[in-house]
Amino acid sequence: DQQVKQNSPSLSVQEGRISILNCDYTNSMFDYFLWYKKYPAEGPTFLISISSIKDKNEDGRFTVFLNKSAKHLSLHIVPSQPGDSAVYFCAARSYNTDKLIFGTGTRLQVFP
Amino acid sequence: NAGVTQTPKFRVLKTGQSMTLLCAQDMNHEYMYWYRQDPGMGLRLIHYSVGEGTTAKGEVPDGYNVSRLKKQNFLLGLESAAPSQTSVYFCASRRGLVVSYNEQFFGPGTRLTVL
Repeated sequence: DQQVKQNSPSLSVQEGRISILNCDYTNSMFDYFLWYKKYPAEGPTFLISISSIKDKNEDGRFTVFLNKSAKHLSLHIVPSQPGDSAVYFCAARSYNTDKLIFGTGTRLQVFP
Repeated sequence: NAGVTQTPKFRVLKTGQSMTLLCAQDMNHEYMYWYRQDPGMGLRLIHYSVGEGTTAKGEVPDGYNVSRLKKQNFLLGLESAAPSQTSVYFCASRRGLVVSYNEQFFGPGTRLTVL
């Protein structure tokens, strides 16, 4: 039972354009969402997060949108750069728990 | 500040052998986690700890044991390795339960192969 789903295993985007990575969840008790970025042979690194009381959070080129009614969040990267090429994981936390549930990841490739 | 470190980086075991993976963090974090990453499966939680001397089971705890004798260290043990435990193992730590401390910091990973 996959509570956090990233249905697109891969995405290819041209440099300078927008990258949109999607994530769906099923558990209505999730109250905090995070995006992590992972390069090969390295551990995941935190990118951006959003609380369920908000619908948007922005940090430089990265914006996360949350649609609670649809149980959907998305990560927008504008403009995309070759250094953004990595695997992106969506994660969610259930209210008052100590754990994160991760999606299966989306591999983003940004080409020149 | 080294952050989260993991030892070893690579290991090959034969079925039935045992080993311990060491995770250390120098950020004085309360919470520590062990995950495994398999192709197409994302990161799955094995065990975690909310403080020194405490441990709890995650999603996939079978075949693993953990100990948190010191706040800065979290050990993951495989008593009798099986080929199904071939994976990349990541350790992570987190400051505390307050919502603004939800970010987990990850180590570089240990690639384990069980033949």
